[in-house]
Amino acid sequence: EPEVTQTPSHQVTQMGQEVILRCVPISNHLYFYWYRQILGQKVEFLVSFYNNEISEKSEIFDDQFSVERPDGSNFTLKIRSTKLEDSAMYFCASSEVWQGFYEQYFGPGTRLTVT
Amino acid sequence: KNQVEQSPQSLIILEGKNCTLQCNYTVSPFSNLRWYKQDTGRGPVSLTIMTFSENTKSNGRYTATLDADTKQSSLHITASQLSDSASYICVVSARAGKLIFGQGTTLQVKP
Repeated sequence: EPEVTQTPSHQVTQMGQEVILRCVPISNHLYFYWYRQILGQKVEFLVSFYNNEISEKSEIFDDQFSVERPDGSNFTLKIRSTKLEDSAMYFCASSEVWQGFYEQYFGPGTRLTVT
Repeated sequence: KNQVEQSPQSLIILEGKNCTLQCNYTVSPFSNLRWYKQDTGRGPVSLTIMTFSENTKSNGRYTATLDADTKQSSLHITASQLSDSASYICVVSARAGKLIFGQGTTLQVKP
């Protein structure tokens, strides 16, 4: 069964460094998403991406964040200058348009630890 | 403000027993409501998805209900198994692509 994959599974970085989290969505999906989950808290929407453009973003997704689909398979989230509060689990998801529903399939997540 | 609230926060039951998890939401405009299962350290996995016109949907031992008038949903788990131990998250879609998550109910099934 097709699945969303993410790399790395765990990333440790120092405050102020740039990180890139990578995702390979399900191949025939058209919409892509990033979410984050701070330990013990709710999953929070960051951004949705369609047709090589951001379609929606949350207040969390400020200028420090960017997303890109550099080729036909990868979808990346870049944090330019990490802060301690960026430590969280980051989930990528993808979906295909279907009857107005957008069933989203989540990857296993990347645990980001900022020290 | 769009919000999704779940209860109880956590629940312990014995293997083989049934349980019901609750979800209340204030999300507008409402598109659909989903229940996800999230194992520790893993991504959420979809169990059910319902629009306002559906009031019940089953997926094996999981049955979700939706009352769009009172903005309440429940997830009923029948004949629980040890593998059901996980966090169950109620998620409401306000419009395509943006999901609003509840804080989840942590279920522990004991032998």
